[in-house]
Amino acid sequence: AQSVTQLGSHVSVSEGALVLLRCNYSSSVPPYLFWYVQYPNQGLQLLLKYTSAATLVKGINGFEAEFKKSETSFHLTKPSAHMSDAAEYFCAVSPRGSNYKLTFGKGTLLTVNP
Amino acid sequence: DAGVIQSPRHEVTEMGQEVTLRCKPISGHDYLFWYRQTMMRGLELLIYFNNNVPIDDSGMPEDRFSAKMPNASFSTLKIQPSEPRDSAVYFCASSLASGGYNRGSDTQYFGPGTRLTVL
Repeated sequence: AQSVTQLGSHVSVSEGALVLLRCNYSSSVPPYLFWYVQYPNQGLQLLLKYTSAATLVKGINGFEAEFKKSETSFHLTKPSAHMSDAAEYFCAVSPRGSNYKLTFGKGTLLTVNP
Repeated sequence: DAGVIQSPRHEVTEMGQEVTLRCKPISGHDYLFWYRQTMMRGLELLIYFNNNVPIDDSGMPEDRFSAKMPNASFSTLKIQPSEPRDSAVYFCASSLASGGYNRGSDTQYFGPGTRLTVL
């Protein structure tokens, strides 16, 4: 069974600082990997996803993530945090093929301080 | 497009009552998913449909939970009887299968959720 681990349930950064949210996956075969964002009282919105093309994936709102097979990681970064980035971020994994089951991590709450 | 629509947005009920949550997926999407989000267990997939047919319901917690999709534009999740431990936010999501080499990686679009409180 596949699983995903998000290190740090809460990350706090200053506005303008680097954002780094960590995600590690467990799978015998590199899966599809996703980052979703959830703003308060809203549903989840896709930030970016890794399928099988470039290992550095660029998403919306200036976020990007790099797939590293050797480290089984898919960490999310943004060079400069903005107040509007405050939200909960979820890493998710699904197996390759026709299986559409997403398995989510526990989430990381990002706080941005002025 | 209006996105995925869920109703009601909030539901408060008493233990033992029947609860029905509703979802309208994005028009043209052929996959529909029901998730439950709690502090303890995080976000869990309950069941998903393809072309109105249930494909995997292994996440449905108990027989008290049932889901239907009578047509491509409507789905329900029913809890009967409800219990306090069912209190959670329930999300519906939909996606369109792209096919091809990366099938299964399609973006899921989430609704705003229904916050259920069972007293």
